[in-house]
Amino acid sequence: KQEVTQIPAALSVPEGENLVLNCSFTDSAIYNLQWFRQDPGKGLTSLLLIQSSQREQTSGRLNASLDKSSGRSTLYIAASQPGDSATYLCAFAGGTSYGKLTFGQGTILTVHP
Amino acid sequence: KAGVTQTPRYLIKTRGQQVTLSCSPISGHRSVSWYQQTPGQGLQFLFEYFSETQRNKGNFPGRFSGRQFSNSRSEMNVSTLELGDSALYLCASSLGHGYTFGSGTRLTVV
Repeated sequence: KQEVTQIPAALSVPEGENLVLNCSFTDSAIYNLQWFRQDPGKGLTSLLLIQSSQREQTSGRLNASLDKSSGRSTLYIAASQPGDSATYLCAFAGGTSYGKLTFGQGTILTVHP
Repeated sequence: KAGVTQTPRYLIKTRGQQVTLSCSPISGHRSVSWYQQTPGQGLQFLFEYFSETQRNKGNFPGRFSGRQFSNSRSEMNVSTLELGDSALYLCASSLGHGYTFGSGTRLTVV
């Protein structure tokens, strides 16, 4: 059974800090890994998608990497801002569960001014 | 380009009733999947449809069912509602790589 773990569960930082969110998965047969952001009571906003053939993806202040051999992905946020405060979720697609995403429990990020 | 549209946004139902939620995917997306999100369990996969066929199903009781129409729009139905069915229900559509989610339907069972 695929398991996805996110560390830390919560993070509180002052504005301007660079931070790293971690995601690990147990199934090496990955198709892609997707990072999402969720604001309270809202749906999921896709941040970055890394396909199995890729090592990393970048969008603005965000960079996500994928290491299939160790079963890990990291999301790097540069120069954090209060508007980055949200829950960040990583989701695994692959293995034998076609059409299904397996989510981690998320990291709750608070960036204070 | 329109995103994934879920209706209604909010629902309040009584125990024992049934409910139908709707999801319209991004135009051209043939895969639609459904998820239940609760504070205790996080995001749990319900089922996925592709070209009107259910390809995958999560570990939910038979009270949870779904279908997909020829225009790729999907509905999910929950019968005999229980208090524990209160959750945010999210649907997502995909063209093959990556998923786009709707804003969800917040279901409250009283």
